[in-house]
Amino acid sequence: KAGVTQTPRYLIKTRGQQVTLSCSPISGHRSVSWYQQTPGQGLQFLFEYFSETQRNKGNFPGRFSGRQFSNSRSEMNVSTLELGDSALYLCASSLGDPGRRSGNTIYFGEGSWLTVV
Amino acid sequence: AQTVTQSQPEMSVQEAETVTLSCTYDTSESDYYLFWYKQPPSRQMILVIRQEAYKQQNATENRFSVNFQKAAKSFSLKISDSQLGDAAMYFCAYRIIIQGAQKLVFGQGTRLTINP
Repeated sequence: KAGVTQTPRYLIKTRGQQVTLSCSPISGHRSVSWYQQTPGQGLQFLFEYFSETQRNKGNFPGRFSGRQFSNSRSEMNVSTLELGDSALYLCASSLGDPGRRSGNTIYFGEGSWLTVV
Repeated sequence: AQTVTQSQPEMSVQEAETVTLSCTYDTSESDYYLFWYKQPPSRQMILVIRQEAYKQQNATENRFSVNFQKAAKSFSLKISDSQLGDAAMYFCAYRIIIQGAQKLVFGQGTRLTINP
């Protein structure tokens, strides 16, 4: 069974550009969430999607957005890139309704390394 | 405030020995899950062990076990018979459910070095 798959793994963008990152969850998983990891801020929650609906959003500016498709795949987009957006972006998936108490262990992908120059 | 504190930025241990990584957290929620994740140089976050807050029994997974003290909001990870492959960053995290959504709150991590 394949794990969480993120593409691209590495990318370099110029300040002011936009970027789209893709995430395919584990087969059968319907919840997808995104995290940003930087040396200074550590791991921070970006947003979570379930059944194509955004369930939760972290404290990030509106330049950060995302969506989920009917096959549970998710994309996140960052517009007008800033140097501080350089980070590892981790996607995670879990099986069921994230609002329910049981069974939702969260599994992570290998991440997408974004460098903004 | 929802916070997780890992007070040991770095730890080292001799191969085959035992090491304990500490974690404390602060939450007003009563229903939550706790996790330890391992992040090797590949940077993939790998689940090591999980604990359900309503269960008093400490979780174990082979060489990994936790000491969960709910009243003290403490969740330490013990690694027995340390192996070279255990070298990684270890993150403590708790999962909370808020208004139909879930979120992981992470600590800052502990870098574990295994000395041969």
